[in-house]
Amino acid sequence: ETGVTQSPTHLIKTRGQQVTLRCSSQSGHNTVSWYQQALGQGPQFIFQYYREEENGRGNFPPRFSGLQFPNYSSELNVNALELDDSALYLCASSDLSILGAANEKLFFGSGTQLSVL
Amino acid sequence: GDSVTQMEGPVTLSEEAFLTINCTYTATGYPSLFWYVQYPGEGLQLLLKATKADDKGSNKGFEATYRKETTSFHLEKGSVQVSDSAVYFCALHGGSQGNLIFGKGTKLSVKP
Repeated sequence: ETGVTQSPTHLIKTRGQQVTLRCSSQSGHNTVSWYQQALGQGPQFIFQYYREEENGRGNFPPRFSGLQFPNYSSELNVNALELDDSALYLCASSDLSILGAANEKLFFGSGTQLSVL
Repeated sequence: GDSVTQMEGPVTLSEEAFLTINCTYTATGYPSLFWYVQYPGEGLQLLLKATKADDKGSNKGFEATYRKETTSFHLEKGSVQVSDSAVYFCALHGGSQGNLIFGKGTKLSVKP
């Protein structure tokens, strides 16, 4: 049990729609990262938030956006869904907050499985 | 850019067999290295880590040694159990954003 919860666990959307995925971080963790895990692949870094500001981003287009709230919850929003967005989306929280520092102790949630039809 | 390559699966072993899952990496500098495990229906869990060359990470009977000369971090366990069945990911801390970079994962199935 990592203390990181994600909702919903499964979601089905159609191409062009928008989706919001939610994550509740472990208490006291001020950093949250989001990863996309396509079928048969390893997780890929989408972005990271520290104290409600984005402070790192992977190779994902601007239609992937996020929010982090003071109560340790966060959201991943994806606009104009494409078929290739179908994946498991993982949220991870930590209490290390400096971009580029050894962000080594991540606590992952179980993920949201998104299917885009 | 930084990357991780791990052996293709799936790997099927009998209980009490010896396990090796190969992992090599490409990175600038000397990143911290990790093995994560993903049990069915669950998120990733940190299995072990090593932060510098020649460090050995170990946990639950699993071991991996940070080999700078061969840029490798192979995962080993002397005697696997059915409960070890899962997907194993090798990862490094690096990249331009200081994030984790994962391999594609290796699925392990252990038969009684």
